[in-house]
Amino acid sequence: DAGVTQSPTHLIKTRGQHVTLRCSPISGHKSVSWYQQVLGQGPQFIFQYYEKEERGRGNFPDRFSARQFPNYSSELNVNALLLGDSALYLCASSLAGGGGDEQYFGPGTRLTVT
Amino acid sequence: GENVEQHPSTLSVQEGDSAVIKCTYSDSASNYFPWYKQELGKRPQLIIDIRSNVGEKKDQRIAVTLNKTAKHFSLHITETQPEDSAVYFCAASKGRGGSNYKLTFGKGTLLTVNP
Repeated sequence: DAGVTQSPTHLIKTRGQHVTLRCSPISGHKSVSWYQQVLGQGPQFIFQYYEKEERGRGNFPDRFSARQFPNYSSELNVNALLLGDSALYLCASSLAGGGGDEQYFGPGTRLTVT
Repeated sequence: GENVEQHPSTLSVQEGDSAVIKCTYSDSASNYFPWYKQELGKRPQLIIDIRSNVGEKKDQRIAVTLNKTAKHFSLHITETQPEDSAVYFCAASKGRGGSNYKLTFGKGTLLTVNP
């Protein structure tokens, strides 16, 4: 039984470029959340999607966007990359994303912006 | 918004001793409190969680307690083993009725279990 998968595992980009990160949730899970984890810190909430609709957005600039597809997979897009965007980007899946729903994390995408 | 404070930031214990990590939260509407273990270079792994209708929950060597009045919750690990060494994160989220079920995380506790 596959867990949450993310691609790519590592990525190196230059300032000003654009990046797309991908996530596939656990089979049967309909909600995907995205988190940014800077070294030495806890994950910070970016977005939550449920049934292709945005359910919540964290305190991130409009350069960050996301979407969810009919098969419940998701993409996180970041435009005009800054050095400060370097982080581990985690995707978490849950059954319905409701309060109290267990969230299971993927292995993350390590983004380095130079 | 919700704020979660976690202490201590580092904790070193001898194998076989107990370890306790404490968290406080600010939003009284929060009612779901998971704990995650993150080993170096790996994903956060859900190890135990507690909901606000429960005061304590145990799973083998791990237990979590919740004090809603004081707005704090704690992770207890007994009979620690070297493989328990990792960063532990507490988190909080609001339950049903809210529009945003995000997890708000503490800054983490680096637990080192010395053989």
